[in-house]
Amino acid sequence: EAGVTQFPSHSVIEKGQTVTLRCDPISGHDNLYWYRRVMGKEIKFLLHFVKESKQDESGMPNNRFLAERTGGTYSTLKVQPAELEDSGVYFCASSHSGRGTGELFFGEGSRLTVL
Amino acid sequence: DQQVKQNSPSLSVQEGRISILNCDYTNSMFDYFLWYKKYPAEGPTFLISISSIKDKNEDGRFTVFLNKSAKHLSLHIVPSQPGDSAVYFCAASTHNYGQNFVFGPGTRLSVLP
Repeated sequence: EAGVTQFPSHSVIEKGQTVTLRCDPISGHDNLYWYRRVMGKEIKFLLHFVKESKQDESGMPNNRFLAERTGGTYSTLKVQPAELEDSGVYFCASSHSGRGTGELFFGEGSRLTVL
Repeated sequence: DQQVKQNSPSLSVQEGRISILNCDYTNSMFDYFLWYKKYPAEGPTFLISISSIKDKNEDGRFTVFLNKSAKHLSLHIVPSQPGDSAVYFCAASTHNYGQNFVFGPGTRLSVLP
């Protein structure tokens, strides 16, 4: 079974440009989360989808960030325009419906560098 | 304001000895706790969890202890192995469907051969 996959693994862009990160969750996982880790600090919650609906987007830093999950499968996270402080590693995670063990399965992350 | 704290950014332990990683939380509504392990350039992987109805959960070399009154949990690794060297994240959530997990800043464990 394929795990959570993220693309690209690393993106380097200039301030003001746009970047779109993609996440393919584990097949059958209704829950999809985006997290961000900046400068080796804690992994911070950005938002949570249940299928195609945004369950919680309280962690989104501002309106330069737009997440979508059309059809309840893969998700994209767009940053437009990117700022220097957006640099970090963006993790996607997925899990089964309901709580179960509560285990989140993480992707390897997309490292974003804004110059 | 960090709701989940891991006050030791790093820890070094000799191979074969016990590693103890600590985690404190401030939100008394948290009732489910997890530990994740992260190697460089990889995503975090689930290690062990504990519900607030328990005070201990064991899985092989890994044991998590929960002290609800102190809002403190710890992860014990016995015996420690060099392959355990990684960053360990403590995470907490409330028992609501879809509630997000709050992560601590992580503790880097180095197990010396």
